[in-house]
Amino acid sequence: AQSVTQLGSHVSVSEGALVLLRCNYSSSVPPYLFWYVQYPNQGLQLLLKYTTGATLVKGINGFEAEFKKSETSFHLTKPSAHMSDAAEYFCAVGPLSSASKIIFGSGTRLSIRP
Amino acid sequence: NAGVTQTPKFQVLKTGQSMTLQCAQDMNHNSMYWYRQDPGMGLRLIYYSASEGTTDKGEVPNGYNVSRLNKREFSLRLESAAPSQTSVYFCASSEYRGNSYEQYFGPGTRLTVT
Repeated sequence: AQSVTQLGSHVSVSEGALVLLRCNYSSSVPPYLFWYVQYPNQGLQLLLKYTTGATLVKGINGFEAEFKKSETSFHLTKPSAHMSDAAEYFCAVGPLSSASKIIFGSGTRLSIRP
Repeated sequence: NAGVTQTPKFQVLKTGQSMTLQCAQDMNHNSMYWYRQDPGMGLRLIYYSASEGTTDKGEVPNGYNVSRLNKREFSLRLESAAPSQTSVYFCASSEYRGNSYEQYFGPGTRLTVT
């Protein structure tokens, strides 16, 4: 079975500071991993994904994430936070096959202080 | 190319009323999903359909039924709405091809049951 744990339901950083959102996963096979962003009153938008190949994945809006198999982690980072980054971020893992589904973490709300 | 569309965007129901949430995708995806999102609980899978003609229960199927009408459309029905079903409902579709996978979300339906 697969599972996802997001550490910290709420993270607050100052504008211009490093953003680090933590995600750990559990999977019996090499996983597909995703980060989604949800702005207030909107749907989910794919930020980036890891399938195979390079373990450092770059996404939209300056975000990137690194797949670390030894640590079962897929943390999301951005060097310099912007006010527009304030949103909820979801990590997800899966699917194992075309007949299965992806599993979402519980989400981390990112706030940016001026 | 509209992606994933959902109707309605907002709905208020009285306890015991029924309604159907509609979802359609134009990306020729095989898999479709219904999630609900509640504060602090992330996204929880209600039902999914891995392909036309098949449906499976997710984490929280009680009180809901689904129909995969054709490859494009996947509807969610509440037969007798309850206040506990007040939530934001998201439809999604996905495609899985070898080492490539992605899932797209609709804009959501905000449902209030009084």
